[in-house]
Amino acid sequence: NAGVTQTPKFRVLKTGQSMTLLCAQDMNHEYMYWYRQDPGMGLRLIHYSVGEGTTAKGEVPDGYNVSRLKKQNFLLGLESAAPSQTSVYFCASSFDRGADTQYFGPGTRLTVL
Amino acid sequence: GDSVTQMEGPVTLSEEAFLTINCTYTATGYPSLFWYVQYPGEGLQLLLKATKADDKGSNKGFEATYRKETTSFHLEKGSVQVSDSAVYFCALKVASGTYKYIFGTGTRLKVLA
Repeated sequence: NAGVTQTPKFRVLKTGQSMTLLCAQDMNHEYMYWYRQDPGMGLRLIHYSVGEGTTAKGEVPDGYNVSRLKKQNFLLGLESAAPSQTSVYFCASSFDRGADTQYFGPGTRLTVL
Repeated sequence: GDSVTQMEGPVTLSEEAFLTINCTYTATGYPSLFWYVQYPGEGLQLLLKATKADDKGSNKGFEATYRKETTSFHLEKGSVQVSDSAVYFCALKVASGTYKYIFGTGTRLKVLA
């Protein structure tokens, strides 16, 4: 049982480049989330999904897009990366939106030069 | 708005010392409160939770009591071990139309042998 996995673990981009972060979970969870973690700040919600084919904006959605084509996968895209998007990105999943426990992936450290 | 404030780290302790990590919150309604832990190279994982006032959450020797009168949820452990070295996040969940999770900034704990 792998839980929540994220690909890649590290990435360095130049300003203006694009990339996609992949999150996969094998727990059959309906809800999935993308957070970013910056120094001195708590985790902030970027986008989330309440089920296959659905997505919704979180607290800081600008500059990101997401897709949930399959229940087990949640993709986070950066179309034109900016230095302000340098961060650690965490994916999480939960059984439902009100669940007490979110299960987190190990994170992706992204640097935009 | 809803928020979580936790003490800044890093906190450095000797093995077998007593640990307290302070957490206070601001929230409308009646939030559930959580402590998550992030070990090096891993994602966050739920350590303990409390869902109503005066509840005590406990796990792996850690404890925290939901204090509504002081809006606090301080994490304690009587005798820390080197293996407790990690980053600890205080978090709350509020129901406001939909559910919202708010995470603190994290407190890094380093335990020396």
